[in-house]
Formats: sequence, structure tokens, C-alpha cells
Amino acid sequence: SAVISQKPSRDICQRGTSLTIQCQVDSQVTMMFWYRQQPGQSLTLIATANQGSEATYESGFVIDKFPISRPNLTFSTLTVSNMSPEDSSIYLCSVYLPLNTEAFFGQGTRLTVV
Amino acid sequence: KQEVTQIPAALSVPEGENLVLNCSFTDSAIYNLQWFRQDPGKGLTSLLLIQSSQREQTSGRLNASLDKSSGRSTLYIAASQPGDSATYLCAVWGSGGSNYKLTFGKGTLLTVNP
Repeated sequence: SAVISQKPSRDICQRGTSLTIQCQVDSQVTMMFWYRQQPGQSLTLIATANQGSEATYESGFVIDKFPISRPNLTFSTLTVSNMSPEDSSIYLCSVYLPLNTEAFFGQGTRLTVV
Repeated sequence: KQEVTQIPAALSVPEGENLVLNCSFTDSAIYNLQWFRQDPGKGLTSLLLIQSSQREQTSGRLNASLDKSSGRSTLYIAASQPGDSATYLCAVWGSGGSNYKLTFGKGTLLTVNP
């Protein structure tokens, strides 16, 4: 299994500002993912972040709005830029372990934009 | 495009009852299927992982089955307890062109009443 530490757990931010979310994994993993969960909805994949390459964004998500860093095999950050109230969601970091093709998630960051 | 549907959307049962949550998916070409639990405002906890070649997995009071050919999975919870109250999410790993992508259902909100 994998233990994922995600920070901050929650934040309230002013519109127009940016927030960077950190994700730390207790083991080296190749593939990390960032998801968004809007209120009352299921999870939507924002991007896949592989170490040593640029993140791959899903349709509807762009790098200027959600820049991602992946400096090593245990750490990644997601920045939510120029925030608006519509960005209020839970953001989740996830890793995939190819040995047993299982996904694990962090505890999420609950973001409220006012 | 893979679509995952979960029925029912919400379920309320008295403590001690056995219950079944349903999940269906449109593309049977999957690597595996995972069931997750999500408590309000929190991240996801992996409950059971079923590989595409398997028919079922058991963990404690939980049993998950997979019928890949018909695109269906069920999560059986025996002797439900108030602590089981949470949202249960079904997710499938795609194969082929979407190897490393989890597609989620919208979840079943379970309430177990004392």
C-alpha cells in the first residue's frame, strides 16, 4: 500500500489568489494523479503527473489554471491559480501502484473560495 | 468513453441489515475495479480491488463481485453498522487507450441507522 500526506487539509481563500497543494508519498511512485470533486459530485481527473515529464491534462483543464510540479518520485504539487468561487471543491492526490494495479488517495484538500 | 453508474444513489437501512450496492460500466475492457469509501469532506479509502480475471474479493464484512462480461459489480455489506455510514464509490481502470485512468461512478450515500 501507499500512505499519502496532503497539505493543507482545508483552506479558505480570496478570489483572484492562488493556492498550492502538496502531496507527499511514503514510497517512490511513477504515476501520480490530481482529481477535483465539486460539491455533490464524483471525482474528475485533472491531470496525470509523471516524474521527469510534463503533466498530462484532461479535457477542460489547462496548465495555466492548474500548474503541476513533480520534482521527484515522492512529491507533487498542484496550484489552483486566479481562484474564483467555482473552484471551491475538494482536491485529491492519488498514486497508482502497478504491482497490483491499485490506487490510493490522500485525505484531500477542501478549498473554499470567497 | 467509459461510463460508470451506481445504483442506488442513496440508501438508508437499520443497523444489522445486509445490503447490496450496485455498479455498472459500459466498456468491459478493464484492468480492474476498485470500491472506495469516502467520509464527508474527506479523501478516499480503498476497500476492495478486483482484478479483471477475478470474480470476487472479500474483506471482513465486505464482499465485492465482478462480472466483467456484463459490466457489473456488486458490493455486499453484511451486518451493517452505523460506522459504515459513508459514500461508497466504484471505479474502473481502463485498458487500451486509457490504460492508467480511473473512471468513477457518482457513488451511493449509505446511512445506517442505530
